[in-house]
Amino acid sequence: AQTVTQSQPEMSVQEAETVTLSCTYDTSESDYYLFWYKQPPSRQMILVIRQEAYKQQNATENRFSVNFQKAAKSFSLKISDSQLGDAAMYFCACRGSGGSNYKLTFGKGTLLTVNP
Amino acid sequence: EAQVTQNPRYLITVTGKKLTVTCSQNMNHEYMSWYRQDPGLGLRQIYYSMNVEVTDKGDVPEGYKVSRKEKRNFPLILESPSPNQTSLYFCASSFSPPGRYGYTFGSGTRLTVV
Repeated sequence: AQTVTQSQPEMSVQEAETVTLSCTYDTSESDYYLFWYKQPPSRQMILVIRQEAYKQQNATENRFSVNFQKAAKSFSLKISDSQLGDAAMYFCACRGSGGSNYKLTFGKGTLLTVNP
Repeated sequence: EAQVTQNPRYLITVTGKKLTVTCSQNMNHEYMSWYRQDPGLGLRQIYYSMNVEVTDKGDVPEGYKVSRKEKRNFPLILESPSPNQTSLYFCASSFSPPGRYGYTFGSGTRLTVV
């Protein structure tokens, strides 16, 4: 079983600045996967970035990068050069490698506002 | 276009009136799952299916039923909806196990039970 905690219900950032969203997790599995999803007002769930726990290198996708601290069970998302289109709800999620259920366990979300 | 299609997008119903939310995927995914999203709670899994005729409960299955008679379809059934089932519902699918691109989500169904 996993738990995911997002301690920041809301965050704001100025356009073109950098913001970091926090996420901590707990899991009893040795192999697992971590995700950040973006949910804009359209409600669509959009995968932003994914990290395999066995990989030490932090994942990056263009302006999005993660700081994965496995020992601390921390998985923060950094958004560089923030754009107005980045405004959305962001969810951190975890999935174990077990084959009985490929369930994503989500945090409660962080609402990101981007100020022009 | 590869997608998960949910219908309806919005639904208002009355307490006790049976309803079905449909979910269909065109990617030949084995795994399908339903989530509900509530403010301050994130997304929680209701039911999942590993393949045709194989379904099991998630974290919040009470008041819901599912079926998986065909690989592409995974309907969510509320036999007697109650106001506490007012929520935003998502269907998701993936290969088994999920590959590099993980899950594909539907566009969501906003359900209101009065």
